[in-house]
Amino acid sequence: RKEVEQDPGPFNVPEGATVAFNCTYSNSASQSFFWYRQDCRKEPKLLMSVYSSGNEDGRFTAQLNRASQYISLLIRDSKLSDSATYLCVVPYSGAGSYQLTFGKGTKLSVIP
Amino acid sequence: DADVTQTPRNRITKTGKRIMLECSQTKGHDRMYWYRQDPGLGLRLIYYSFDVKDINKGEISDGYSVSRQAQAKFSLSLESAIPNQTALYFCATSDFGAGGRETQYFGPGTRLLVL
Repeated sequence: RKEVEQDPGPFNVPEGATVAFNCTYSNSASQSFFWYRQDCRKEPKLLMSVYSSGNEDGRFTAQLNRASQYISLLIRDSKLSDSATYLCVVPYSGAGSYQLTFGKGTKLSVIP
Repeated sequence: DADVTQTPRNRITKTGKRIMLECSQTKGHDRMYWYRQDPGLGLRLIYYSFDVKDINKGEISDGYSVSRQAQAKFSLSLESAIPNQTALYFCATSDFGAGGRETQYFGPGTRLLVL
């Protein structure tokens, strides 16, 4: 089975803190990676895509280490609205099949 | 209006009943997916379709069937529901943006309880 492993969490952090989530994947052939955000009882929504060594979008930075098969998501200056579950997603394709494999997610609670 | 809609949003049924979950999209995407989400297990792919004539099994297709009636519609059926099919079901569509980068868009989900 294709594996995507995430920090189990939950992470409880104060407002303004910096927090990092880690994700490891088993398929070395994967070329693209994603972080999705899922609020309680809601659908997942794309937060960031990662195609090279990493990218940054405001307070969020995603980094990729292909040699170690490792992806991270860094959130700086945490806001209460950042409280959610963060899903690491890795596409697997080949031999006529294709699927996105989702990690189990890491729950973040930002505390006032 | 939502781009990906699912009906019903909540459903309670009994073991052995046949039920259908429906998904519609207005995004014009060819690719559509059905997932289920269970606590502690994350999202798992049930079926996916890359166009109207293309249907593929995902990781956990046993006990489920699908129908792609049109580009915009992708239905999931449980022929004989069982309690371990109690879960949150998501439909999704995807497209490829700049540089061939895929983004998935999820519907709001259907909560299914099988008694």
